[in-house]
Amino acid sequence: DAGVIQSPRHEVTEMGQEVTLRCKPISGHNSLFWYRQTMMRGLELLIYFNNNVPIDDSGMPEDRFSAKMPNASFSTLKIQPSEPRDSAVYFCASSSQRSSGNTIYFGEGSWLTVV
Amino acid sequence: DAKTTQPTSMDCAEGRAANLPCNHSTISGNEYVYWYRQIHSQGPQYIIHGLKNNETNEMASLIITEDRKSSTLILPHATLRDTAVYYCIVRPGNTGTASKLTFGTGTRLQVTL
Repeated sequence: DAGVIQSPRHEVTEMGQEVTLRCKPISGHNSLFWYRQTMMRGLELLIYFNNNVPIDDSGMPEDRFSAKMPNASFSTLKIQPSEPRDSAVYFCASSSQRSSGNTIYFGEGSWLTVV
Repeated sequence: DAKTTQPTSMDCAEGRAANLPCNHSTISGNEYVYWYRQIHSQGPQYIIHGLKNNETNEMASLIITEDRKSSTLILPHATLRDTAVYYCIVRPGNTGTASKLTFGTGTRLQVTL
């Protein structure tokens, strides 16, 4: 079975540019999570959705960040405009309350560098 | 979310059992204990979870104390590929609603020859 799929895997962009990260959750999962990981702050939850509806976006750092989930099989995390301090690994994860343990599964991450 | 306490780092010889402790003294009755690990440059990987009974799967065993205030993850025969940061997290399980994972700093396990 395919896991959580993220794209791009690596992106280098210039400060001020728009960045869009994409995520395809595991088929049948109805919850989706966006995390960010940096050396200084570790793994932080940015936002999560349940049945395509944002449940908790308290981790979104500021208005430059936005996330959408237009359907059950796709989500985006957008940064506009990007800044060097946004450089991090961004992980998408998904889970299903219908499956045993409500376990959350992670993708391999999108490595973002803003120069 | 209930907080967990883990040692910062541990070493283990290859082929020996790795026993990773975790304290979660404020765990609630509906919260499960989850273990994840993160190998360098990869996404967090689910290992195992449990509520109150000991659990075992192909990756590891989870021993939860009777009062549920602490647990131990056991990797029975550690290999070099088990070198990773291991996270112990408590979180509601089958609640029917979404619930998040809150990561701490974890235990950095180094498996050596």
